[in-house]
Amino acid sequence: GAVVSQHPSWVICKSGTSVKIECRSLDFQATTMFWYRQFPKQSLMLMATSNEGSKATYEQGVEKDKFLINHASLTLSTLTVTSAHPEDSSFYICSASQGLAAFGEQYFGPGTRLTVT
Amino acid sequence: EDQVTQSPEALRLQEGESSSLNCSYTVSGLRGLFWYRQDPGKGPEFLFTLYSAGEEKEKERLKATLTKKESFLHITAPKPEDSATYLCAVQGGGGSNYKLTFGKGTLLTVNP
Repeated sequence: GAVVSQHPSWVICKSGTSVKIECRSLDFQATTMFWYRQFPKQSLMLMATSNEGSKATYEQGVEKDKFLINHASLTLSTLTVTSAHPEDSSFYICSASQGLAAFGEQYFGPGTRLTVT
Repeated sequence: EDQVTQSPEALRLQEGESSSLNCSYTVSGLRGLFWYRQDPGKGPEFLFTLYSAGEEKEKERLKATLTKKESFLHITAPKPEDSATYLCAVQGGGGSNYKLTFGKGTLLTVNP
């Protein structure tokens, strides 16, 4: 149980274009979903937290107009990187929590490798 | 601000050679300490949650323990398939009571 999927697993896009990444909880309803970014040999950095049906909460330093997050249902959240640039190239990972975000364990998706050329 | 420091950064063991990984933390009101395993190019896989000092949890060759300042992940008689990066994270009870703060991880390599 507690399986989270992401699509696509990798994507290459040209500078200036936008790319959408999907995160789905397959066998549970996720009240809260999280988006992380991980650079090589670095720890996971939380970008934003989203609750179904409400606006995402972004971490300090994360541009909300550049990283658009939508959490339209209890099983789907999307991250859209708008006007991507080479410095946005990274490993993006989502996670989902079954219970109250304050106490629930987070289950992670397999990640999406984004390369911007 | 919550902080997590993991040591060592990398650890190389022979198959069957037991050892421990360390996770030191500072947090405002610990809600939970989490251990994850991450394979290259994959998302983290949940291993354990510890909530209070003195708590211990076991899963196969892994055992996690918790004190007020640190957590240890003990690996008993490791096998090559235990090779991975092990991540520690804390969830604090401060302003961001849902946020996980991760350490940089320990890269474990188990040689046959």
